[in-house]
Amino acid sequence: GAGVSQSPSNKVTEKGKDVELRCDPISGHTALYWYRQSLGQGLEFLIYFQGNSAPDKSGLPSDRFSAERTGGSVSTLTIQRTQQEDSAVYLCASSLAGGLSEQYFGPGTRLTVT
Amino acid sequence: AQSVSQHNHHVILSEAASLELGCNYSYGGTVNLFWYVQYPGQHLQLLLKYFSGDPLVKGIKGFEAEFIKSKFSFNLRKPSVQWSDTAEYFCAVMGSGGGADGLTFGKGTHLIIQP
Repeated sequence: GAGVSQSPSNKVTEKGKDVELRCDPISGHTALYWYRQSLGQGLEFLIYFQGNSAPDKSGLPSDRFSAERTGGSVSTLTIQRTQQEDSAVYLCASSLAGGLSEQYFGPGTRLTVT
Repeated sequence: AQSVSQHNHHVILSEAASLELGCNYSYGGTVNLFWYVQYPGQHLQLLLKYFSGDPLVKGIKGFEAEFIKSKFSFNLRKPSVQWSDTAEYFCAVMGSGGGADGLTFGKGTHLIIQP
């Protein structure tokens, strides 16, 4: 079956522009996670959705980051006024029920801010 | 706050050598432990996990890991590595908070197997 998909696969943007990253989870998975993978920080957890709800947004790096999930499916991660330190690979994962359910990762979106 | 430390950032081995990758964690409560692998050009995928019970867990592709509570460790082992094991390996923990805190990963170990 189809796995987690993310788009775009690569995004180059100029500093100060807004970007939107998309994640399509595995059908039927109620939980969705965003992570960021960068050279300096490794893999960092950003936010978790159970259905359309994100109970804790404190993992988002700054108030320029926001995320939403609609219809219990697709999620978008938006970065406003991008900065060079936002350059990273943004990974999305989904799991059947959250908790200790196995997380299945997507291929990531490589974001480069010039 | 939980944290994960992987001791070796780069490991180079020859085929058929034995492998042990170190992982230590810091967490105050009940901890759930994972090893993930990322092969070149592929997605992160789960190798094995430990929640409770037998501290020696077996995963895919001949990998195993041992949870030693007294040492806060969860080292990954494989008796005889293959060239196809070349990949990035990540140790991760998740607390017992229902998954809302996501996975906390170590910085990863880049393993290169020389033929």
